[in-house]
Amino acid sequence: EPEVTQTPSHQVTQMGQEVILRCVPISNHLYFYWYRQILGQKVEFLVSFYNNEISEKSEIFDDQFSVERPDGSNFTLKIRSTKLEDSAMYFCASRETGVTEGYTFGSGTRLTVV
Amino acid sequence: LAKTTQPISMDSYEGQEVNITCSHNNIATNDYITWYQQFPSQGPRFIIQGYKTKVTNEVASLFIPADRKSSTLSLPRVSLSDTAVYYCLVGDPGAAGNKLTFGGGTRVLVKP
Repeated sequence: EPEVTQTPSHQVTQMGQEVILRCVPISNHLYFYWYRQILGQKVEFLVSFYNNEISEKSEIFDDQFSVERPDGSNFTLKIRSTKLEDSAMYFCASRETGVTEGYTFGSGTRLTVV
Repeated sequence: LAKTTQPISMDSYEGQEVNITCSHNNIATNDYITWYQQFPSQGPRFIIQGYKTKVTNEVASLFIPADRKSSTLSLPRVSLSDTAVYYCLVGDPGAAGNKLTFGGGTRVLVKP
């Protein structure tokens, strides 16, 4: 079964540092997403990406965040200057267009900002 | 986006059937009902999706009455490994972007 792959599985960084979270979506999927989940809280939408541009972003996704699809396979989330409150699980997801099988999520990257 | 309401938690025992009902009174004509499962420290996993009546796959069944204002996820003969959080989501899968909006989900605990 095709998978969404995320690396690293766990990242510890110091406050103020930049981090890049990486994702390899399923190859024939066209929509890509980032979600996050703070420990004990809901899964929150961050951003959706289609046709090499952001299609929607949430209030959380401020100027500290950016996404990129640098090549045909990777999809990255960059946090420019991390804050303590950025500590969370970050999930990448992808889906085909107009299908009913739902999204495929990756296993996540646990980001800990110290 | 249609708001969903589901129980916060449910307990069950191995071998029993678990039914989780979700209310979505303002579901729109193009909306589908989708259920996801999430284990601790893992990403949500798609379980089942339906529009009306009944849908069944190898994992679960989804029952949707004619008015579509609620739906019930049925997990037959649960095992300990079915302990997870189950999310009911409503939305149009054909819409461009179509972000998912997660609620609090239902925490299902399967006991031996």
